[in-house]
Amino acid sequence: DVKVTQSSRYLVKRTGEKVFLECVQDMDHENMFWYRQDPGLGLRLIYFSYDVKMKEKGDIPEGYSVSREKKERFSLILESASTNQTSMYLCASSTGALGYGYTFGSGTRLTVV
Amino acid sequence: GESVGLHLPTLSVQEGDNSIINCAYSNSASDYFIWYKQESGKGPQFIIDIRSNMDKRQGQRVTVLLNKTVKHLSLQIAATQPGDSAVYFCAENPGTGNQFYFGTGTSLTVIP
Repeated sequence: DVKVTQSSRYLVKRTGEKVFLECVQDMDHENMFWYRQDPGLGLRLIYFSYDVKMKEKGDIPEGYSVSREKKERFSLILESASTNQTSMYLCASSTGALGYGYTFGSGTRLTVV
Repeated sequence: GESVGLHLPTLSVQEGDNSIINCAYSNSASDYFIWYKQESGKGPQFIIDIRSNMDKRQGQRVTVLLNKTVKHLSLQIAATQPGDSAVYFCAENPGTGNQFYFGTGTSLTVIP
């Protein structure tokens, strides 16, 4: 079964820590995305990538960076975690073809204390 | 950015009844729409999609209706079951690439 795997389901980090969220897909998809999901705000796009070593800012990139060194892996980095980054983080991937949707990971629930 | 919204944030239905979840979108150029289901503790999963050249599409117990005139999308679930309890999102693709924009979600609760 094809899938998107996020390395952690739950994380608790301290303010100021550098946090790495990992996402791996086994579908050979070109596109990968990081969203955060907050009650009442829906899914907001943080960063996305259409190719290896390529990255584009989404709607809320501040406080985040990403890395895509290999096609199957897309990492989200919180340079200095803050409490307002407490959220559910969702990774998704898709083919480069129009007319196809995303495959999502199960999410990482990050709590910054 | 794009605006994709839902009329009702929560919906409760009796088991066996039909459910209707609504979604408004703002970009008349959007040409592809998807409904996702997100169960508690899981990532969103694809339910059904529809292209802008269609106004209705049916799946297994689900139907999506698209009204381009008023930029409205709906998801109908027939004979709702407890396993249908989840948050449902609509997503639109404005046709400029493979990026989707998501609504805030409707929480569906099925009452046994």
